Amino acid sequence: KAGVTQTPRYLIKTRGQQVTLSCSPISGHRSVSWYQQTPGQGLQFLFEYFSETQRNKGNFPGRFSGRQFSNSRSEMNVSTLELGDSALYLCASSLSWDKDNSPLHFGNGTRLTVT
Amino acid sequence: GDSVTQMEGPVTLSEEAFLTINCTYTATGYPSLFWYVQYPGEGLQLLLKATKADDKGSNKGFEATYRKETTSFHLEKGSVQVSDSAVYFCALQRTGGFKTIFGAGTRLFVKA
Repeated sequence: KAGVTQTPRYLIKTRGQQVTLSCSPISGHRSVSWYQQTPGQGLQFLFEYFSETQRNKGNFPGRFSGRQFSNSRSEMNVSTLELGDSALYLCASSLSWDKDNSPLHFGNGTRLTVT
Repeated sequence: GDSVTQMEGPVTLSEEAFLTINCTYTATGYPSLFWYVQYPGEGLQLLLKATKADDKGSNKGFEATYRKETTSFHLEKGSVQVSDSAVYFCALQRTGGFKTIFGAGTRLFVKA
């Protein structure tokens, strides 16, 4: 069974631009979560989607948004990029939103560098 | 709110040494507890889990016991290998659709 796939693996953008990251979950998984990982802040939760609806949201500004499609694939968008948005963005899928002990399965991430 | 606290790293050990990485949590109710591991250039992967008090999770020689009385879930391995060098994350997850909360991570270096 294929794992969680994130594209692209690396991205370099300029301040003020916007970016879209993509995530394909494991087949059969309907919940997708996004995390931002930085050396200083560790893993910060962005948001979680299940059945095309946002179920949980972290403490990030409105520049960060996401969506989920009917096939469970998800995208996240960051508008008006800032230098501080440079990070590894991780996507994780799980069987259901009300996970009841269903663990997260992570992709290898998208490394975003903002210059 | 819910939180996870891990011992700060990095932890540096020689091959075949005993490993302990401490993890304590604060949460309402009875969360499930997890250890995830992240190797360089990769995402996190599940190492082991425990879903109720006194459960012991184990995998690849690693073990952790869910201790409700001390709200802890310490990771242990009797004899580490160079290939165990990675970052280890403790995490909790409450039932009912709550997000998974991660500790700050502990970097482990194992020297040959």
